[in-house]
Amino acid sequence: EAQVTQNPRYLITVTGKKLTVTCSQNMNHEYMSWYRQDPGLGLRQIYYSMNVEVTDKGDVPEGYKVSRKEKRNFPLILESPSPNQTSLYFCASRIFPPLRANTGELFFGEGSRLTVL
Amino acid sequence: KNEVEQSPQNLTAQEGEFITINCSYSVGISALHWLQQHPGGGIVSLFMLSSGKKKHGRLIATINIQEKHSSLHITASHPRDSAVYICAVRSGGSNYKLTFGKGTLLTVNP
Repeated sequence: EAQVTQNPRYLITVTGKKLTVTCSQNMNHEYMSWYRQDPGLGLRQIYYSMNVEVTDKGDVPEGYKVSRKEKRNFPLILESPSPNQTSLYFCASRIFPPLRANTGELFFGEGSRLTVL
Repeated sequence: KNEVEQSPQNLTAQEGEFITINCSYSVGISALHWLQQHPGGGIVSLFMLSSGKKKHGRLIATINIQEKHSSLHITASHPRDSAVYICAVRSGGSNYKLTFGKGTLLTVNP
């Protein structure tokens, strides 16, 4: 079954304690991306990756790191989490470039709800 | 930076009604996504459009590149269509940065 898997799904942590949210996809997709979703602000892109060893910043990259050493994995790293990083996080992947026009849907993970105290 | 506006913010309909959700953006784009998010649930991609129109079941998405506008239509709406519908645009160029609208909360009553 085609899927994007995120772990952990729920996490409560404390300020400054480094954490990693993993994301793995089994569709051999080139493109992967991280988003955060906050009430009133909607979804915002944190980082994205067009392929292995190719990453770029989205709109809200501050306080986050990513790496893309393998095609299937794209972990999100919070080196020193702060309360303003409390949010719902989504990972997504898609084929890139699209095989034909008007194709190339995004596949999302189920989300990771992070609370930083 | 592309600004993405969705309307309406909230929409309540009776089962069977025809629904239209609109998305406007400020800067030329290379692609537009429509997403669906059920309460407490994950996000599902409905369409990816770069031109014209696409149909999937009771859902139809259209895009007018010149007018910088897209619409999502739901025919014969059903309570299970109740969800937040989100528009996201990819600006032109070689990157794949996405900008999202704030979403439209649709409630379909039986």
